[in-house]
Formats: sequence, C-alpha cells, structure tokens
Amino acid sequence: GAVVSQHPSWVICKSGTSVKIECRSLDFQATTMFWYRQFPKQSLMLMATSNEGSKATYEQGVEKDKFLINHASLTLSTLTVTSAHPEDSSFYICSGTSGRNRRFFGPGTRLTVL
Amino acid sequence: DQQVKQNSPSLSVQEGRISILNCDYTNSMFDYFLWYKKYPAEGPTFLISISSIKDKNEDGRFTVFLNKSAKHLSLHIVPSQPGDSAVYFCAASELSGNEKLTFGTGTRLTIIP
Repeated sequence: GAVVSQHPSWVICKSGTSVKIECRSLDFQATTMFWYRQFPKQSLMLMATSNEGSKATYEQGVEKDKFLINHASLTLSTLTVTSAHPEDSSFYICSGTSGRNRRFFGPGTRLTVL
Repeated sequence: DQQVKQNSPSLSVQEGRISILNCDYTNSMFDYFLWYKKYPAEGPTFLISISSIKDKNEDGRFTVFLNKSAKHLSLHIVPSQPGDSAVYFCAASELSGNEKLTFGTGTRLTIIP
C-alpha cells in the first residue's frame, strides 16, 4: 500500500519554542492532506484540511496562527506548532488522500512540550 | 458533540472466537464508513469500508454491517487472532466530497490466547 511518512517521530521541546512536523506521501500524490491530533485515550480530532497550493481550512477551535500548515507540493505538507505550550503536547497524525478510497495515514509524531 | 460514538472502550475476546465492535453515529449526512486499526504510537491503518448503499461488506476475516435506520455499524472479526489486538476506530464521512473523516473514540480489542 501507499506510504505516508512523518518526521520527526518524537520531539521534545521547551515551552515557547516552535516545532515543525513534516508529512510526506512517498509513492502517491496527495491532493489533500489532513492533520489530526490525538490526546491520550481520545479520538483523532481533525485540526485542518489543506489542498496543495492553497490555504488550509481549520476546524472550529483550532488557532490558525498557532498551527501553521503549509502544503507546498503534492507530496509534502508541514505543520508548525508556534510558541508551543505543555497543553499542545499530543500525538499529531497526518493523512494524505488522492481520492475517497485512497487515504493513508502517517505514523504520527509525538510532541512533548516541557 | 461526538457525532461518531463507540460506547465500548474495551473488549476482550478469546482467540478463535468472533469479535464484534460497534459504532453509532448521529449525522444522517454520513454516507461512507470506515474501520481503522491502530497500534500505540502509530498511525491508523485502513481495514474495511462500506458505502451507505450497502448493508454489508466482507473482506477475509473482516465484515462490516451497516444499519442505516438505526445509524449503527459493526465490525465482525472471525476468527479472532492475537495479532488483532489493537485499538479500532470507526470513521464516517459525508457526501460533500471534502474527504473529511469524523472518528469515533475507539475500542481497545484484546485477544486472549
């Protein structure tokens, strides 16, 4: 099956710093990428949807100035958590899709903010 | 407002028996449903899906049943194997075509050898 990679897989940072997470579709072109966040023992919550070359659409309650999403190409999307705080500590997962029946998830990035 | 609900946070099943995971939804606009399997610290992997025009879809040991009138779907795994132990999420999307998935809260399945 198709592969979506995320880098880094685990990051620890100090409060107030910014962290960039990369999501790459390795063997298909992802026309749309989604970013999810999962807190322990909770569901995956959609944060934003991005289409290549256009601005991301954020879900209600997600601060677009805090979670910067760039989808510059059909194979790469980045999520930057700006001025991270301990409450941003979570598991961030990206998903790339090239159609309704072709959606693949990355392995996730665990962010710990001290 | 949890539009997709999995009311059983955990389930234990003996190896070789049938595992039945349930999912309920409230949004009548959902027309496509998926089940994902997830291991800790990994992304979800797709298992099986069903369109609202069907009431059953089968793929090997996995069968998904959809009851639209009850807004209920279930995943049957038979026979259950130790490797099936994981967290299972159901997800749903609308006809709008924006590919957005709404996930349930997950059910942790443990297969007892």
